[in-house]
Amino acid sequence: EAAVTQSPRNKVAVTGGKVTLSCNQTNNHNNMYWYRQDTGHGLRLIHYSYGAGSTEKGDIPDGYKASRPSQENFSLILELATPSQTSVYFCASGGDNTEVFFGKGTRLTVV
Amino acid sequence: AQKVTQTQTSISVMEKTTVTMDCVYETQDSSYFLFWYKQTASGEIVFLIRQDSYKKENATVGHYSLNFQKPKSSIGLIITATQIEDSAVYFCAMREGDSNYQLIWGSGTKLIIKP
Repeated sequence: EAAVTQSPRNKVAVTGGKVTLSCNQTNNHNNMYWYRQDTGHGLRLIHYSYGAGSTEKGDIPDGYKASRPSQENFSLILELATPSQTSVYFCASGGDNTEVFFGKGTRLTVV
Repeated sequence: AQKVTQTQTSISVMEKTTVTMDCVYETQDSSYFLFWYKQTASGEIVFLIRQDSYKKENATVGHYSLNFQKPKSSIGLIITATQIEDSAVYFCAMREGDSNYQLIWGSGTKLIIKP
């Protein structure tokens, strides 16, 4: 079973602060993704990556940056957190011809 | 434009019965992949089953199977002998063959299994 680990699992941040959400996968998948899930919106893609050193904008990238320093790690960075970024964030990984596997999610609250 | 639609927002069935959840998709690609995921009450999103567009045979994994009707752009999920722990939200997703590996998601169907 593919393994995707997110940290932290829960985070409370202050408005204007910097937040980094981390994701590690041990499946040697090329592709990694960051989604957010809000009630009434389903899963929305923020950023994704095809491999180490690459990041691409998804459907809702504003206010977020991403970093893929290695095949295994993909981070989501909120430079200036706002209350509207309160959400549940999911990281996922997948191969070029495989299904996508998800981490357990990070609940972020910005106060 | 690519789109995935799940029209059933919620379904309630008795335990040990069979349930079918609907999903229709729109794509211009001749090659695509279809997936079903389950989101549990704890929030975990779990991959269940996939169907590749070039395969005529319906996929089956455990008590999950698919009803792939390509001319209707439809991929239904069938769960047989349902159990209480099947209660969850089920998402349908599509990835086009020549896409940038992004998934297009449906809005989900909440399944409630009654004892």
